[in-house]
Amino acid sequence: KQEVTQIPAALSVPEGENLVLNCSFTDSAIYNLQWFRQDPGKGLTSLLLIQSSQREQTSGRLNASLDKSSGRSTLYIAASQPGDSATYLCAVQTGANNLFFGTGTRLTVIP
Amino acid sequence: KAGVTQTPRYLIKTRGQQVTLSCSPISGHRSVSWYQQTPGQGLQFLFEYFSETQRNKGNFPGRFSGRQFSNSRSEMNVSTLELGDSALYLCASSLGVAGDGEQYFGPGTRLTVT
Repeated sequence: KQEVTQIPAALSVPEGENLVLNCSFTDSAIYNLQWFRQDPGKGLTSLLLIQSSQREQTSGRLNASLDKSSGRSTLYIAASQPGDSATYLCAVQTGANNLFFGTGTRLTVIP
Repeated sequence: KAGVTQTPRYLIKTRGQQVTLSCSPISGHRSVSWYQQTPGQGLQFLFEYFSETQRNKGNFPGRFSGRQFSNSRSEMNVSTLELGDSALYLCASSLGVAGDGEQYFGPGTRLTVT
């Protein structure tokens, strides 16, 4: 069974700092990996989708990488802002059209 | 393009009752998936519907069921509610094509069972 782990569980950084969130998964037979952001009590906002054949994707200050063979992905956030404070979730999609989620990293950016 | 909508946004029910949640996917999306989010278990997959057929199912008891209509709107039903069913229920829509699975989530329905 696919298991997804995210480290660290919580992270607090001063505004302006660059940071990296980590995601690992046990079964490398994935279609894609998706990073989401969730604000308290809200739904999920898709940030980046990386297909299994890709190595990275970029959107603005966000860059996500994927190393399928080692079962790892990282989300890099440049020049963090207080508005980036949220829980970040990674999820992998397997052959079936469902996602396996990690437990998330709760990020706090201190002004 | 309108996003995924879910109704109602909040519900309070009593143990033993049943509840129906609704999800309208993004126009053109044929797949709707349902997830349960709790503080203890995180996000767990319930089931997925594609073209009115349940295509995948997670590891939940038969009290949890769903259906999809011809316009791709989906409903989820939970019967004989238990306290442990209190959760945020999220639906996600996608094109449903294998390997092209970017999923877009709705705002969720917060269900409280008392």
